[in-house]
Amino acid sequence: GAGVSQSPRYKVAKRGQDVALRCDPISGHVSLFWYQQALGQGPEFLTYFQNEAQLDKSGLPSDRFFAERPEGSVSTLKIQRTQQEDSAVYLCASSLRGIGTGVEGEQFFGPGTRLTVL
Amino acid sequence: AQSVTQLDSHVSVSEGTPVLLRCNYSSSYSPSLFWYVQHPNKGLQLLLKYTSAATLVKGINGFEAEFKKSETSFHLTKPSAHMSDAAEYFCVVSVRLGDMRFGAGTRLTVKP
Repeated sequence: GAGVSQSPRYKVAKRGQDVALRCDPISGHVSLFWYQQALGQGPEFLTYFQNEAQLDKSGLPSDRFFAERPEGSVSTLKIQRTQQEDSAVYLCASSLRGIGTGVEGEQFFGPGTRLTVL
Repeated sequence: AQSVTQLDSHVSVSEGTPVLLRCNYSSSYSPSLFWYVQHPNKGLQLLLKYTSAATLVKGINGFEAEFKKSETSFHLTKPSAHMSDAAEYFCVVSVRLGDMRFGAGTRLTVKP
């Protein structure tokens, strides 16, 4: 399809396990965002890429969280030594434009990965 | 800094009656404002956005929202609710690309 896809859709991890969540943005989209959505809450910003450059990672909750987008397309969010408080839905979004274009472009969201840490 | 407050965590309406989902924002700069809808097991979908053009914004599926600077509000309305409108709705404020602040969401229930 032409939308943003994420995999896996569901992930159950034991506390202390490392996980990797994948995001395939819409082809040609410059910007890519990761959000964390806790149960009953709105999404909260984690990090932002413009092409392969990670321009903002101010929302990453700890140094256990790491994101990359090495070729400017697919992105991976990695969480090391998972904790129960990491349980959430992780959303990826992409946008056609990048920072500095002067226009706030629409972000297209994927279905999310629901992470449950036991 | 900017933030959003969605005044109702849950709204219930009957099919065919009007919908009002309330949103107040706080921003030091001229914001862009959005409404997104989230259906179960689906991605967030943009309903409409305000970016300093017309203050009354029309979106998809018959929804519209009015930007009122004096009231710092951006309430979402629809004249007649449909069963398929039942979902979670998020109001979002942004002052620059990459900095979107979501409200906590309003769950809309539509009764037959």
